[in-house]
Amino acid sequence: KNEVEQSPQNLTAQEGEFITINCSYSVGISALHWLQQHPGGGIVSLFMLSSGKKKHGRLIATINIQEKHSSLHITASHPRDSAVYICALGRGGSEKLVFGKGTKLTVNP
Amino acid sequence: DGGITQSPKYLFRKEGQNVTLSCEQNLNHDAMYWYRQDPGQGLRLIYYSQIVNDFQKGDIAEGYSVSREKKESFPLTVTSAQKNPTAFYLCASSIASGPYNEQFFGPGTRLTVL
Repeated sequence: KNEVEQSPQNLTAQEGEFITINCSYSVGISALHWLQQHPGGGIVSLFMLSSGKKKHGRLIATINIQEKHSSLHITASHPRDSAVYICALGRGGSEKLVFGKGTKLTVNP
Repeated sequence: DGGITQSPKYLFRKEGQNVTLSCEQNLNHDAMYWYRQDPGQGLRLIYYSQIVNDFQKGDIAEGYSVSREKKESFPLTVTSAQKNPTAFYLCASSIASGPYNEQFFGPGTRLTVL
């Protein structure tokens, strides 16, 4: 069983819709990262969470440590949000991140 | 402009040839990483370096080699021993290694072995 699972694998939305992407994990973690991979392949870091909630513009990330679950929300989605969203686990005592397979989001105009 | 550069963006090689992928950063980061990305799979760590002149194997190091002679540079060599080298390769860096540090990624190199 993978340590980190993302759902859904693929998501298609209409412009303006509220988007939720989920990340569930099965191990203890120190931090969880959300990243965005553009169609050209470049990756940017969106959030690092160890508890609670963070907001940046139209993006909101939450984490529930007890339930081992994190969500990434996009409000008022736009076609430029189309990308692959990846969650990655950071574990204490490890120098490495463990990456999920990603959720491919397509926002249609 | 601070950032990470990888070159080239696309690389074609014949089977059996070694090839070196370049990764340079001017962010003054101590830690650097090489990842491989295949369709339908998450990023997998090949090698990482926490400090200059030191590096460790990641989860899929077989058939790859690295060096870290300068803080700014972390080249990856894909050797002929790598059985399935065609993939998208991403280099990243962070201020330090560890679970809390944001990683900054380069644009990637797509390697195709013919």
